[in-house]
Amino acid sequence: AIRMTQSPSSLSASTGDRVTITCRASQGISSYLAWYQQKPGKAPKLLIYAASTLQSGVPSRFSGSGSGTDFTLTISCLQSEDFATYYCQQYYSYRTFGQGTKVEIK
Amino acid sequence: EVQLVESGGGLVQPGGSLRLSCAASGFTFSSYEMNWVRQAPGKGLEWVSYISSSGSTIYYADSVKGRFTISRDNAKNSLYLQMNSLRAEDTAVYYCARDPPTVVNYFDYWGQGTLVTVSS
Repeated sequence: AIRMTQSPSSLSASTGDRVTITCRASQGISSYLAWYQQKPGKAPKLLIYAASTLQSGVPSRFSGSGSGTDFTLTISCLQSEDFATYYCQQYYSYRTFGQGTKVEIK
Repeated sequence: EVQLVESGGGLVQPGGSLRLSCAASGFTFSSYEMNWVRQAPGKGLEWVSYISSSGSTIYYADSVKGRFTISRDNAKNSLYLQMNSLRAEDTAVYYCARDPPTVVNYFDYWGQGTLVTVSS
């Protein structure tokens, strides 16, 4: 099974900061990667698919990049509503998620 | 508006059974592949099972294979998960999640989830 490893597991940031989250696959997955945002007590929400394609309705401050084994999610200017946990998910072979990155208020 | 509403969760003893349901609306349910994804308390996300639009193709995670059964009723716009031989480690919020209309395996819409607690 393909393992997905996110880093960091958590980070503290302030509104307006640029935030980058990394996701590494245990083997190459081309661009078959999605990113989700989850707020406490809520379902995950799709942000990005195909590594860099923004889902409809998602603010443009979110962006994704990478291919093969290394991927990043960047929030260019952190807003108050962005404090949440973020998960990557590969869909190259079945589906596996990273362990999550919690973005907290500094 | 796409809506997925899960129900059927609750407290069950180890070894017991439970059937989850997911009612879909706002899209042509019979045209979409569907999944169950779970999240143990305070933990990450785990894909559980997949069913094709017709129900002819089904996959399970190794952790539930032989114990869980996914099914759907396209006439009722409903997805189901029959869970047998439940274990403490099956305790989680269970989400139904839709695949997008292309042949790719991420989840574009999720329900709000239903909590399953396995405990004596």
